[in-house]
Parts: sequence; structure tokens; C-alpha cells
Amino acid sequence: NAGVTQTPKFQVLKTGQSMTLQCAQDMNHEYMSWYRQDPGMGLRLIHYSVGAGITDQGEVPNGYNVSRSTTEDFPLRLLSAAPSQTSVYFCASSYRPFPLAGGSYEQYFGPGTRLTVT
Amino acid sequence: AQSVTQLDSQVPVFEEAPVELRCNYSSSVSVYLFWYVQYPNQGLQLLLKYLSGSTLVKGINGFEAEFNKSQTSFHLRKPSVHISDTAEYFCAVRDFPNAGNNRKLIWGLGTSLAVNP
Repeated sequence: NAGVTQTPKFQVLKTGQSMTLQCAQDMNHEYMSWYRQDPGMGLRLIHYSVGAGITDQGEVPNGYNVSRSTTEDFPLRLLSAAPSQTSVYFCASSYRPFPLAGGSYEQYFGPGTRLTVT
Repeated sequence: AQSVTQLDSQVPVFEEAPVELRCNYSSSVSVYLFWYVQYPNQGLQLLLKYLSGSTLVKGINGFEAEFNKSQTSFHLRKPSVHISDTAEYFCAVRDFPNAGNNRKLIWGLGTSLAVNP
């Protein structure tokens, strides 16, 4: 298994440009999420999905869109990049998202995308 | 779970010394607890987790943590650290799953462990 993969690893954008960060997992996980990591602020949840066709906002969703057309893929779109979106972005997935099915919700992380917006 | 506090943002320690990284949480219900490690320029990986049962949990790389329900703590320990343990460590909590609650993990801000020779 490749686990959780993210592309690209590095990206530089100009203010106002748009782009999509790719995330894919081959573990048949139903739960996927996007985080951003900034110095001194830990991990902040941007958007998450509990299955194909179902997405929801996290704590910092503004400026980002997501969709989940397949179980494997969960792309993150920056609509109009701003310097405040300079960050390291992590995608994560986990299995057994449904509470009554049990499970620990252990999350598996991708290697990250380092984004700079100038 | 409502919040997670990692009491030390940075912990410097000498090689082969013991270390404790502290984590406290607040929640009105039972919780699952996790410690993740992030090595430089990498993603996060699970170090250990507490779901139920024994309050002393052993993880990878010689780390262990103890769940203390009365003190709402989940401190991470290692009796003898190596240079290779230099990393960022994150504590995370989620409420025990039921039909109505939030599925999201609540994260601490991280503790940077620096092991010096």
C-alpha cells in the first residue's frame, strides 16, 4: 500500500492564483480530512469528508473548497490564493468513521504540501 | 472533547536522559487519546493510543503514556531518549464515539523535543 499520497510536495503561487492540492489513499478509508499546519498554531482542520459525496467544514474553511467524488481522492482547491494561506498542508484518512461501528479513528497522514503564496 | 493543552512548547534534553511530555485535556465525556510524532519535514505518524483497558499504554520506539482520568492527563514518557527522537510531538483527543457526537480530533499545539548529544 502507498498509504496517503499528496502532490505536489512544494508549490509557489502568486496572490490571486488558484490551484488544487491532490490527496489520494489506497486503504479504502471512508474518512478523509485536510489540515494546515502553521508555526505555533498546531494542526487546524480545513475540511473533512465521511464518505464519497459527503463533505463538511472544519475550523478554517474560508478560501478552500473540497469535493469527494470517489473514496480514494479528496482534492483541496484554493480559489484565489492569499499570503495568509502560506502553510504546510496535510491530508489524512481513517477507517470506520461511523460511530456505532466502533473503531479508534486513528488517522494516517500524507507527507504534506508546502505552499508559499507571494 | 473541548480542548487539549500541551504544557511545554519546547523540551530540550540530553541523550540517554528520561523525558516526559505533558498533555492535559478537557471533556465532559469519555475520550480516546492519541500521541502523534512528526519528524522534520515529514507527516505525522501515530506513536500510541489509549482506547480502553490498561491506563499504561506502550507505543513505538520505546515510548509509553499513562492515562489519568481524575487528572484528565495523558503524559508521554521515555526512559532514555536518542538523538533520533528529536521531533514534534502532538497530543490529540476525541470523544468516545456515539451516534450524536463530533468525529473530529482535537489537537494540542505540539511539543518540540530536542535531544542534544
